[in-house]
Amino acid sequence: DIQMTQSPSTLSASVGDRVTITCRASQSISSWLAWYQQKPGKAPRLLIYKASSLESGVPSRFSGSASGTEFTLTISSLQPDDSATYYCQQYNSYWTFGQGTKVEI
Amino acid sequence: EVQLVESGGDLVQPGGSLRLSCATSGFTFSGFVMSWVRQAPGKGLEWVSASNGGGDTTYYADSVKGRFTIFRDTSKSTLFLQMNSLRVEDTAVYYCAKGTLVGGATPIDYWGQGTLVTVSS
Repeated sequence: DIQMTQSPSTLSASVGDRVTITCRASQSISSWLAWYQQKPGKAPRLLIYKASSLESGVPSRFSGSASGTEFTLTISSLQPDDSATYYCQQYNSYWTFGQGTKVEI
Repeated sequence: EVQLVESGGDLVQPGGSLRLSCATSGFTFSGFVMSWVRQAPGKGLEWVSASNGGGDTTYYADSVKGRFTIFRDTSKSTLFLQMNSLRVEDTAVYYCAKGTLVGGATPIDYWGQGTLVTVSS
């Protein structure tokens, strides 16, 4: 089974900060990685797919990148509405989620 | 507009059974992978099961294999999850989720609002 290790588990930052969340796969998943945003009491929302492709309607301050088995979600200028928990998910072999990163503002 | 509406969540005793339903609309149901993803109270997301567009290929997480069955009623554009031999650790909000392709592992582009399953004596 493919394991996804996400860090940090919690992140505190200010409005306007550049924020980075990392996800590491236990084996190669090519670029088959997605990022989701989840707010309390709500279903997750797809932000990024195929490691770096921005889902339609998602603000351009969100971006994704990959280097081998390490993947990064970057928020270029943190906004109040970005307060949420973020999950990575591999879909190379079945589906596995990371443990989540709670972003506090 | 794509809509996924789950139902069937309830309080059930350990060892009991429950069937979840997900009524869908706004897209060609047989054209996409459909999944169930759960979230235990205060915990992260866990993929549970998936079905390809035709319903003839199914996938299960090890934690539910042999106890849960995913299936579709294409005539009603409805996805089901039959859950047997329920355990306390199956307690969670269960989300119905739509993939972006007809087969294989895909990202999830639409989610339902979730239905709560509580397993407790």
